[in-house]
Amino acid sequence: AQTVTQSQPEMSVQEAETVTLSCTYDTSESDYYLFWYKQPPSRQMILVIRQEAYKQQNATENRFSVNFQKAAKSFSLKISDSQLGDAAMYFCASSPKTSYDKVIFGPGTSLSVIP
Amino acid sequence: SAVISQKPSRDICQRGTSLTIQCQVDSQVTMMFWYRQQPGQSLTLIATANQGSEATYESGFVIDKFPISRPNLTFSTLTVSNMSPEDSSIYLCSVREQGANRREAFFGQGTRLTVV
Repeated sequence: AQTVTQSQPEMSVQEAETVTLSCTYDTSESDYYLFWYKQPPSRQMILVIRQEAYKQQNATENRFSVNFQKAAKSFSLKISDSQLGDAAMYFCASSPKTSYDKVIFGPGTSLSVIP
Repeated sequence: SAVISQKPSRDICQRGTSLTIQCQVDSQVTMMFWYRQQPGQSLTLIATANQGSEATYESGFVIDKFPISRPNLTFSTLTVSNMSPEDSSIYLCSVREQGANRREAFFGQGTRLTVV
């Protein structure tokens, strides 16, 4: 079974500053994907960044980067130069590598960006 | 990437009635997933729908309450039956990327259901 935990229900960050959202997971799979999804008030789920478990290099997408610690089963998201449009719910998620498997989501972190 | 159209986008329904939510994908996919997101909560998987076979339901969800159809590789419906106010949630359709080694999940825009 897979579980995903996010210990920060709410976070806030000043505009232009950096914030890190935490995520831990548990899985019995040997190969899997990890994701961060963003859900703004429009409720559309948007992929922020993905990480393949067998890749040791941390994924980066513009202002978004992850700190993937496989042994610790930790997958944190760092948002640099925070913008007002970054305000949203952020969900950490994991999935086995096949496209036939479900994605399991954490409880989410609500991020506020302070002007 | 897959584009998913989901409708209706929102509805207000009387208790005891049923609502059918439609999900259309712009490409053929093997599996389609239906999630529920209760107010202020995360996404919980209801069931996985495979074309040509009965859907697989997660613990706590049953076919009589959430019947699912999957008539072809691009379309699925989820029905919320005999609704009560506890069914007020956002319902989301999702597919996984096929082929390329990416495997992200794509989502429809969700159906916001309010039961009164």
